[in-house]
Amino acid sequence: KQEVTQIPAALSVPEGENLVLNCSFTDSAIYNLQWFRQDPGKGLTSLLLIQSSQREQTSGRLNASLDKSSGRSTLYIAASQPGDSATYLCAAPGNQGGKLIFGQGTELSVKP
Amino acid sequence: DGGITQSPKYLFRKEGQNVTLSCEQNLNHDAMYWYRQDPGQGLRLIYYSQIVNDFQKGDIAEGYSVSREKKESFPLTVTSAQKNPTAFYLCASRSGQRPEKLFFGSGTQLSVL
Repeated sequence: KQEVTQIPAALSVPEGENLVLNCSFTDSAIYNLQWFRQDPGKGLTSLLLIQSSQREQTSGRLNASLDKSSGRSTLYIAASQPGDSATYLCAAPGNQGGKLIFGQGTELSVKP
Repeated sequence: DGGITQSPKYLFRKEGQNVTLSCEQNLNHDAMYWYRQDPGQGLRLIYYSQIVNDFQKGDIAEGYSVSREKKESFPLTVTSAQKNPTAFYLCASRSGQRPEKLFFGSGTQLSVL
């Protein structure tokens, strides 16, 4: 059964710092992994989707990597800004077709 | 604009009452999902549907029911059997073709009166 874990649960950094968020999954037979951002009381916004054939995806200051052999994905945020403050979630396909399993999320706070 | 529309944004349920949450998408996606989010617990899958007229239970289906009569619509009914319905409910959809990106609606906050 696929399990997805995100560490740390919360992170507070000063503005301008580069940071890494971690996502671990137990079943490495995945075909993609997706990272999301959630602001309080809002739905989830897709940030990046990495397919199994890729090792990295980049969008602006965000870079996501995928290492299936170790069961890990990381989301790198460069030059963090207060507007980056939100909860970041990763999701991987479950063992049954069509299901996506979410991590608990990392709540990020960027202090000005 | 293409997207997923959830309504209402806020919903209140009286004890013993069934309530229905609406989810409509115009993305022409085959698969649709309902998730429940409680504070500090992440997202848990309630039901999902990969095609019209077919749906499967997720991890916490008890006390909920769904239908998928149209490709665009996937309403969720919270029945009186769900004893702890207060939560944030999120609807999502995705295409059945790779890369199968998942898109979310803006959510419905359900509270018990």
